[in-house]
Amino acid sequence: GENVEQHPSTLSVQEGDSAVIKCTYSDSASNYFPWYKQELGKRPQLIIDIRSNVGEKKDQRIAVTLNKTAKHFSLHITETQPEDSAVYFCAASIPWDYKLSFGAGTTVTVRA
Amino acid sequence: GAVVSQHPSWVICKSGTSVKIECRSLDFQATTMFWYRQFPKQSLMLMATSNEGSKATYEQGVEKDKFLINHASLTLSTLTVTSAHPEDSSFYICSAALDALAGELFFGEGSRLTVL
Repeated sequence: GENVEQHPSTLSVQEGDSAVIKCTYSDSASNYFPWYKQELGKRPQLIIDIRSNVGEKKDQRIAVTLNKTAKHFSLHITETQPEDSAVYFCAASIPWDYKLSFGAGTTVTVRA
Repeated sequence: GAVVSQHPSWVICKSGTSVKIECRSLDFQATTMFWYRQFPKQSLMLMATSNEGSKATYEQGVEKDKFLINHASLTLSTLTVTSAHPEDSSFYICSAALDALAGELFFGEGSRLTVL
């Protein structure tokens, strides 16, 4: 099955700086790569996703890049704010299969 | 976006009892729902895929007789933790897909189970 690895496990940044989280996947057939933000005790919330036919996608301060050849994708958060502090998960799924394989998560702390 | 609701949001039970958790898609029909378990400071681990009108598909290592899943309608899936033990204490989250092609999953609020 699909194996998703995520780094780093923790990330502390100064408010206003950028944060980058990287993930790799094992199954070259994977074609959907969402990123979720989870606050303590709450459900994961989709913040951005990308499909294999796109190399980059941006939504305000959040961007995701995908390198299919290397089988890795990254989340970029610019101009970080304290409310960006949370656990972020990357995930991957293969066509026609809703099952998401999640990375281990990255705890992001934005220092004011 | 699509709304998925879980109930109860938290439950405390005694060891040996059974607990049922409901997952509902409120504004769409979901032929497939997923049940995840999340231990503190860990990732979401898929337990099983719930298919409307058929048996659930369990991931390797998940006891199907302990975690009973029923998907009786297009908007409701239930997870019953039978004979619960303290090690079953966890955050259980369901999810459902809105669009067969889109792949995006919508998650319920989660249910925190504590077994005493």
